Amino acid sequence: AQKITQTQPGMFVQEKEAVTLDCTYDTSDPSYGLFWYKQPSSGEMIFLIYQGSYDQQNATEGRYSLNFQKARKSANLVISASQLGDSAMYFCAMREVYTGGFKTIFGAGTRLFVKA
Amino acid sequence: NAGVTQTPKFRVLKTGQSMTLLCAQDMNHEYMYWYRQDPGMGLRLIHYSVGEGTTAKGEVPDGYNVSRLKKQNFLLGLESAAPSQTSVYFCASAAGVEAFFGQGTRLTVV
Repeated sequence: AQKITQTQPGMFVQEKEAVTLDCTYDTSDPSYGLFWYKQPSSGEMIFLIYQGSYDQQNATEGRYSLNFQKARKSANLVISASQLGDSAMYFCAMREVYTGGFKTIFGAGTRLFVKA
Repeated sequence: NAGVTQTPKFRVLKTGQSMTLLCAQDMNHEYMYWYRQDPGMGLRLIHYSVGEGTTAKGEVPDGYNVSRLKKQNFLLGLESAAPSQTSVYFCASAAGVEAFFGQGTRLTVV
């Protein structure tokens, strides 16, 4: 069974500092994808970054990077130089690929508060 | 570009009433999903579809039915609404890596 675990219900970070949001996952399939989404208070889901299970290098997208440790089954999101606009809920998600297609499940989320 | 459009955006139902939520995407995506998000929780997969005419159960399918008669539309039905189905419902579509989400439907069952 798939499972995504985010152990940090809430996190505080000072503006301009870096912050790491934790995510661990559990799957027995060799082919899968890992995602991070941001949900601001307005409610929309914003795609941030993706890491494939076979990707050799950690994914980066601007100020976002994904610290992928396959053996530990962790996919932590690192946000560098935090901005006030980064305050939001952040969800880790995993897509499992199978013959019929793929489906994506989400963790419970981490609420990030950026302090001025 | 419209992307993924959910109709309606808000709805209040009485217990036992039925309703259908419509999700429409204009990106020709094969995959479509319905999720529910409860306060303080992540998104939980209700049902999904890997192509026109196909549907499959997700993590929390009980009390819901879906149909994908046209590729661009994915309908979520509640036959007899219960207060436990009060939630925000998100539809998403995907063709490759990124999933595109609708704006959500806030449903309250009283």
